[in-house]
Amino acid sequence: AQSVTQLDSQVPVFEEAPVELRCNYSSSVSVYLFWYVQYPNQGLQLLLKYLSGSTLVKGINGFEAEFNKSQTSFHLRKPSVHISDTAEYFCAVTLSGNTPLVFGKGTRLSVIA
Amino acid sequence: DTAVSQTPKYLVTQMGNDKSIKCEQNLGHDTMYWYKQDSKKFLKIMFSYNNKELIINETVPNRFSPKSPDKAHLNLHINSLELGDSAVYFCASSQGHPGLAGGPYFGPGTRLTVT
Repeated sequence: AQSVTQLDSQVPVFEEAPVELRCNYSSSVSVYLFWYVQYPNQGLQLLLKYLSGSTLVKGINGFEAEFNKSQTSFHLRKPSVHISDTAEYFCAVTLSGNTPLVFGKGTRLSVIA
Repeated sequence: DTAVSQTPKYLVTQMGNDKSIKCEQNLGHDTMYWYKQDSKKFLKIMFSYNNKELIINETVPNRFSPKSPDKAHLNLHINSLELGDSAVYFCASSQGHPGLAGGPYFGPGTRLTVT
C-alpha cells in the first residue's frame, strides 16, 4: 500500500521569504500526487496535482511542486510567501484503480510578519 | 454556488445517540467520499461511492453507514455515537478516479463533538 511522509510537522518562515514543504511517498508503481491546503476551520482546497507529463507542476496562489521519481518526492515550493499562506498543507498520493487517496500528516506553515 | 456542501456544519450530541450528516455536490461528479479528520489533523478515508455503488470501505466500525440515494448525494449515518467519534468529517467528490481527472474536491466539513 502506498504511504506519504511529510517530513516537517511545522515550518515557520518570514514573510516574503521562500519556502519548501517536503513530501516523500512510498510506491513502486506509477502514482498520482496532490497538494491540498487547509485554512483554519475550513475544508481542503486543491493546490496542485501531478497526474502525468511535465514533472514541474504549477498550482494556485503561486505554488509549484516538482515530481522526482528517483527520489520519490513531491516537494511544494513558493518563492515568496505571504501572511495569508499561513495554513496546514497536506500531500496526498493514490495509485490507479480503486485505491483511495492517502494523505500525509500535514505541515503547518506559519508565516511571520 | 457551493460545489460540495455538507449539513450540519457543527453537531454536538451525547454518547449513544444516532446522527446523520448530509452531503451534496453540484459538480456532476460520479464518485463521492467520506473522510475523517482527527484531532491531530490526520485525514483518513472512510468510504467511497461510484455511481451510487460502494467501492471503498475502509476499516470503519459498522456503526457508520453511508447511503447514496443518487450520484449527487452521499449521507453518513452514525449509530450509538462514542466519544472517539468526535472529529471533523469531510465529504468530497471527483469525476472518476482522482488520477484521471484530479481532485477530489472537498466540502467544508462537519465538526462532530460527542459528549
